[in-house]
Amino acid sequence: DVKVTQSSRYLVKRTGEKVFLECVQDMDHENMFWYRQDPGLGLRLIYFSYDVKMKEKGDIPEGYSVSREKKERFSLILESASTNQTSMYLCASSLGQGRSQHFGDGTRLSIL
Amino acid sequence: EDQVTQSPEALRLQEGESSSLNCSYTVSGLRGLFWYRQDPGKGPEFLFTLYSAGEEKEKERLKATLTKKESFLHITAPKPEDSATYLCAVQETGANSKLTFGKGITLSVRP
Repeated sequence: DVKVTQSSRYLVKRTGEKVFLECVQDMDHENMFWYRQDPGLGLRLIYFSYDVKMKEKGDIPEGYSVSREKKERFSLILESASTNQTSMYLCASSLGQGRSQHFGDGTRLSIL
Repeated sequence: EDQVTQSPEALRLQEGESSSLNCSYTVSGLRGLFWYRQDPGKGPEFLFTLYSAGEEKEKERLKATLTKKESFLHITAPKPEDSATYLCAVQETGANSKLTFGKGITLSVRP
């Protein structure tokens, strides 16, 4: 079974801090994704990566950046955290086009 | 306009009362339609992928079907452990593996 591991289940940070969310997958998947999930808005794609050091903006990239230095690891960076970035963050990976995405259990991030 | 619309938003069933969840989509070319189950505080868990109209997939009490405009997730004789949020997502041709998700349907099954 594919395992996608997110480094923290819960995280509390202050406004203005630089925040790092880490995600690791163990199935040699090409593609990795970062989403945020908010009540009434569903899952929204922030960034995704289709290869090492390759990244592409999703639907809501503002205020975020990403890093993929190794195939198995994909990091989401909040450059200067703001309260409207309080959310559930989900990481996913997939083999490629037409293949299902497999999700981690999420990081619930609170920005105070 | 949303590309993926799920209905109803919430559904309450009695144990054993069969029903269907709807996912309608508007994309120019469909590469695949995906169903997920999400329990509170957890990430979505993959259930099915459907690729072409007329295709059906089954797993225990769940059966997913696909037409050119919508998909149904049929739940036969549900049990309380089927209570969860069910998410539908589509991948367009040429979308570079991106999925567009609906807002989900919250299913509650009472004993």
